[in-house]
Amino acid sequence: NAGVTQTPKFQVLKTGQSMTLQCAQDMNHNSMYWYRQDPGMGLRLIYYSASEGTTDKGEVPNGYNVSRLNKREFSLRLESAAPSQTSVYFCASTGIWGGNTIYFGEGSWLTVV
Amino acid sequence: GENVEQHPSTLSVQEGDSAVIKCTYSDSASNYFPWYKQELGKRPQLIIDIRSNVGEKKDQRIAVTLNKTAKHFSLHITETQPEDSAVYFCAAFSSGRGNTGKLIFGQGTTLQVKP
Repeated sequence: NAGVTQTPKFQVLKTGQSMTLQCAQDMNHNSMYWYRQDPGMGLRLIYYSASEGTTDKGEVPNGYNVSRLNKREFSLRLESAAPSQTSVYFCASTGIWGGNTIYFGEGSWLTVV
Repeated sequence: GENVEQHPSTLSVQEGDSAVIKCTYSDSASNYFPWYKQELGKRPQLIIDIRSNVGEKKDQRIAVTLNKTAKHFSLHITETQPEDSAVYFCAAFSSGRGNTGKLIFGQGTTLQVKP
């Protein structure tokens, strides 16, 4: 039981390049989330998926796209990376909405130069 | 949109003293309020949570209180120890239409416990 697994852990991109962050959970959770964390800014929600087949925008969705590939996997794509997207990205999941413990992946450190 | 405000941004206490971190939320439909501790370079870890039908919850040296009328909740750490030093985040689960919802975080409090 690995919990929430996200890859890659570290990545350096050039401005304009694209990449996809992968996230998978093995807890049979319905809801999955992508957050970014910048110094002094806390965790800000980028996109979330309440259940398989649905996705919704969070607080800071611009510049990102997501895909809920199946119940286990929720990917985050940067189509044209910008330096402002340098951040730590966390994927998270929870069983049902409305108050279950939310589990985080270990984080992905992304630098855009 | 939904918003969670957290104060203070930094807090320094002497070992053995108490620490209090306060949060307010904007969405009156929020019904779940977890607190996370994050050490440098690591993922947030849940330390305690409270649901909207409860006013207070305690787990050893940590307690959380909730005032739904004021849309305010607080984390209390007693008998602080150096290993309590970390960044603490409050969060509020904001319900959406149908079976949807999202967890919104406060900005974080950096707690330093001095030996």
